Amino acid sequence: GAVVSQHPSWVICKSGTSVKIECRSLDFQATTMFWYRQFPKQSLMLMATSNEGSKATYEQGVEKDKFLINHASLTLSTLTVTSAHPEDSSFYICILQRRGYNEQFFGPGTRLTVL
Amino acid sequence: QKEVEQDPGPLSVPEGAIVSLNCTYSNSAFQYFMWYRQYSRKGPELLMYTYSSGNKEDGRFTAQVDKSSKYISLFIRDSQPSDSATYLCAMRRSGAQKLVFGQGTRLTINP
Repeated sequence: GAVVSQHPSWVICKSGTSVKIECRSLDFQATTMFWYRQFPKQSLMLMATSNEGSKATYEQGVEKDKFLINHASLTLSTLTVTSAHPEDSSFYICILQRRGYNEQFFGPGTRLTVL
Repeated sequence: QKEVEQDPGPLSVPEGAIVSLNCTYSNSAFQYFMWYRQYSRKGPELLMYTYSSGNKEDGRFTAQVDKSSKYISLFIRDSQPSDSATYLCAMRRSGAQKLVFGQGTRLTINP
């Protein structure tokens, strides 16, 4: 159990376009969803947290108008990178918290390359 | 100063060797400690999960937490080429949801 999927697994886009990344829990309800990104040879950094029934909370330095997070349901979260630029190229990972569990469950990640 | 420090390596050892991976941290409030393995272009997968101080063993893997020194370790015994990956430590405070990750150590096991 506790399977998390992300779609797409990789995407290449032109500068200025918007990209939507989906994160789904396949067999459980996620009360909290986290979006992290990982630049090459760097650690995962939290971008934002969205709890059930509330808007996403963004970490300092992360532009909420650029990285739109929609916690659509207890099984789906989307991250939209608006007007993407080459510096947004990164590995984006969602991490889900299951109700009543300390452990958090990772999505497989989405590699975004902006040309 | 980063909250979590981890030597990025790379670390290269022969097959069968014992591998020691380490992280130090500065926030004494961290209570949960995790080790993740990440293969190239894949998401991290949880290897070990420890609460507070002490040791935990799972097969060839042993995790140690020394809260007095703010130091955690992951030992891999009888290392295999399939263990070649990047290993990330992560930790969080009790009652908090945010994970704080180390930079990751890139490990190569040579046949």
